[in-house]
Amino acid sequence: NAGVMQNPRHLVRRRGQEARLRCSPMKGHSHVYWYRQLPEEGLKFMVYLQKENIIDESGMPKERFSAEFPKEGPSILRIQQVVRGDSAAYFCASSLQGQPNTEAFFGQGTRLTVV
Amino acid sequence: TQLLKQSPQFLSIQEGENLTVYCNSSSVFSSLQWYRQEPGEGPVLLVTVVTGGEVKKLKRLTFQFGDARKDSSLHITAAQPGDTGLYLCAGYRDDKIIFGKGTRLHILP
Repeated sequence: NAGVMQNPRHLVRRRGQEARLRCSPMKGHSHVYWYRQLPEEGLKFMVYLQKENIIDESGMPKERFSAEFPKEGPSILRIQQVVRGDSAAYFCASSLQGQPNTEAFFGQGTRLTVV
Repeated sequence: TQLLKQSPQFLSIQEGENLTVYCNSSSVFSSLQWYRQEPGEGPVLLVTVVTGGEVKKLKRLTFQFGDARKDSSLHITAAQPGDTGLYLCAGYRDDKIIFGKGTRLHILP
């Protein structure tokens, strides 16, 4: 029973390029959350998705960032025209339901470095 | 505004000592979760506390949920170097899981 899988683990992009981060939730989980973490800081919420729907994107910058969770395949967090300030660790978590008390499980993260 | 405040922010103690870290809020949560994150890894869920006043034990770790469900504590007995990491508390708010900034714990051998 595989856990939450994120890839790539490390991603280096030059300024202005696009970054695509993938997250495959645990089997049977239909809720996905994306978080961003800067060094020595906690996890900052970005977006919450269910299959084919964005439920809450209040933590995601309005420009350059987008997320999707298609009916088939992994959830994708896409960052266009990356800038140095986008360098961070990006984590996704999945849960069976979106209700309170439902436990969320995290992937190992993608560490994005913009050079 | 930080809805979940964790303290202390940093803690460095000797192996074998006991310690308590805290997660406080002015708001009521239906449940709180504790995670541990090691460098270069994702957070790993340790426990979920649901009922006010609940106490859960995980080997040398004791988790308590406040009676009013606004705060939680994590007590570690006889800390070991393997306990080193970032301890995060989290709770549901407006359909999303929010996190405190964490307590960075370092156990010295």
